[in-house]
Amino acid sequence: NAGVMQNPRHLVRRRGQEARLRCSPMKGHSHVYWYRQLPEEGLKFMVYLQKENIIDESGMPKERFSAEFPKEGPSILRIQQVVRGDSAAYFCASSPEGSRDSPLHFGNGTRLTVT
Amino acid sequence: EDQVTQSPEALRLQEGESSSLNCSYTVSGLRGLFWYRQDPGKGPEFLFTLYSAGEEKEKERLKATLTKKESFLHITAPKPEDSATYLCAVSFTGGGNKLTFGTGTQLKVEL
Repeated sequence: NAGVMQNPRHLVRRRGQEARLRCSPMKGHSHVYWYRQLPEEGLKFMVYLQKENIIDESGMPKERFSAEFPKEGPSILRIQQVVRGDSAAYFCASSPEGSRDSPLHFGNGTRLTVT
Repeated sequence: EDQVTQSPEALRLQEGESSSLNCSYTVSGLRGLFWYRQDPGKGPEFLFTLYSAGEEKEKERLKATLTKKESFLHITAPKPEDSATYLCAVSFTGGGNKLTFGTGTQLKVEL
């Protein structure tokens, strides 16, 4: 399967714990996007990264959330001290370049539940 | 502020009953309009990109069209396997490939 891989598929955390979500882009893709989908709401942009660089983090909450895309390995979305409001589906997407001819390809998401 | 509004929120069709889904948008400098399909528990699956008013694209029973203010996804003679949530999204000049999504139309096709 050469698609965008996300893990884990489901993650349960207690309030105050840390959540780490991983995303491996499609082969040959160097651009990664993270989106959050809350129940009954649309997908909301969080952050856009290229290898070792954060390009746009305008949708990321200022506190507790961080993202990285290292030279080697998957992109990581990290949520510290989770609260119940962080419960959502988190989707990663990738594209090969920044041109408009490169649609985003999404993974199947990580469903985070905070108890 | 960029906005994408989809209607209806939900649509129930009989197999073979053609219909259209609407996506209206307000964006400064449209770069592209995208249609995705999302099945329960899955990520969005890319269907089409449209770039300019008057453009049309087709794939099997689906046809997407674009005007200066809205896009339509026409579904001709749908089958139960077309049941899914259809998402519309836009990218804008200066935003790269960052997408602004609508909340989707949940389509159910019954036998």
